Amino acid sequence: GEDVEQSLFLSVREGDSSVINCTYTDSSSTYLYWYKQEPGAGLQLLTYIFSNMDMKQDQRLTVLLNKKDKHLSLRIADTQTGDSAIYFCAEKGAGNNRKLIWGLGTSLAVNP
Amino acid sequence: DGGITQSPKYLFRKEGQNVTLSCEQNLNHDAMYWYRQDPGQGLRLIYYSQIVNDFQKGDIAEGYSVSREKKESFPLTVTSAQKNPTAFYLCASSSRLAGDQETQYFGPGTRLLVL
Repeated sequence: GEDVEQSLFLSVREGDSSVINCTYTDSSSTYLYWYKQEPGAGLQLLTYIFSNMDMKQDQRLTVLLNKKDKHLSLRIADTQTGDSAIYFCAEKGAGNNRKLIWGLGTSLAVNP
Repeated sequence: DGGITQSPKYLFRKEGQNVTLSCEQNLNHDAMYWYRQDPGQGLRLIYYSQIVNDFQKGDIAEGYSVSREKKESFPLTVTSAQKNPTAFYLCASSSRLAGDQETQYFGPGTRLLVL
């Protein structure tokens, strides 16, 4: 079945860039998402990218999609301590299936 | 304010007891979802509903039940058959009318603990 994989942990220094990676297996993916979860809270959508795009930029966030390698990345520029959270990658397949396939999440620790 | 509300924030269950978690949305979304989150296991789909009076099992439906009598509401009952209910439960909703990307929006979650 479809699968989404992420590395579990990432540690960066405040002010550096963070890059969180995600790989997926579903070649019919239409949309890919990045969500952020702070401790004890629900998930907040950060951004999404359509599968026919290579890149999407939104302020400090840059999403890169390599459809050939089924690889998605989220770059956070000038990482701040408030960016410490768990980041989830998810993908949506084609057709009427409204379910998302979720990665296990990457825990980002930002050190002062 | 539009959004998704979940209540209660914390819920305690005694052995053999059924408990119901509330999820309400005022976003006029047609689809609603229930996820369970355990440490290190990401999100697992319990049930989802695409229209009123209809719902489908997700990946871990055993020991849970849902109803969708109103578009705004999708309560989840954790039954006594669920032997390991301690987890963080997240409700979400989405709508195709907002675009094909059909973003799922999440509530703040309910933490269920077993006494």
